[in-house]
Amino acid sequence: DAKTTQPNSMESNEEEPVHLPCNHSTISGTDYIHWYRQLPSQGPEYVIHGLTSNVNNRMASLAIAEDRKSSTLILHRATLRDAAVYYCILRTYGGATNKLIFGTGTLLAVQP
Amino acid sequence: DGGITQSPKYLFRKEGQNVTLSCEQNLNHDAMYWYRQDPGQGLRLIYYSQIVNDFQKGDIAEGYSVSREKKESFPLTVTSAQKNPTAFYLCASNARATGELFFGEGSRLTVL
Repeated sequence: DAKTTQPNSMESNEEEPVHLPCNHSTISGTDYIHWYRQLPSQGPEYVIHGLTSNVNNRMASLAIAEDRKSSTLILHRATLRDAAVYYCILRTYGGATNKLIFGTGTLLAVQP
Repeated sequence: DGGITQSPKYLFRKEGQNVTLSCEQNLNHDAMYWYRQDPGQGLRLIYYSQIVNDFQKGDIAEGYSVSREKKESFPLTVTSAQKNPTAFYLCASNARATGELFFGEGSRLTVL
């Protein structure tokens, strides 16, 4: 299974943009890049996903490198409610298996 | 509203007792998953099921068992063979076509 690498922690100030990086150098052509975030003592929630092109939704933007070996989750204006652990994972569609492997994620601290 | 319901939210058990955690979804999803999370760690996959009456071991299946007799239900039994069962357990499901993973609120098991 393709693995992802993320920094253990990052800090941001409220109202400023945040760029959360993820490396996935062994990504295959059929792997989608998914991002989830988890608040303390809660289940993770879906944030965004993409394959090759950059993606935007109401929560965030996803910038994918041209070679797809890295991606960046962008929170345009961080709020205190964005403080969470952010997971970058790879998801293969259409294969024999459908499991998702989570790493340890990036703990984002947002300062007021 | 549609979603995933895990119960109980908190559970205390004595060492050597089997424990069954419930997971029910009304999202009509084919695939369901069980993850374990230890303090400060990411999620580790225990078991997953892509269709009724079928399931596969994840990365840490030893000491756990599951069943998938109905599409809506995927209970997890933590057996006495699990050496360190105290953890936060998360159930998830997704529609195979879309891929977005939906999580329950988790069950926190403490073995005394």
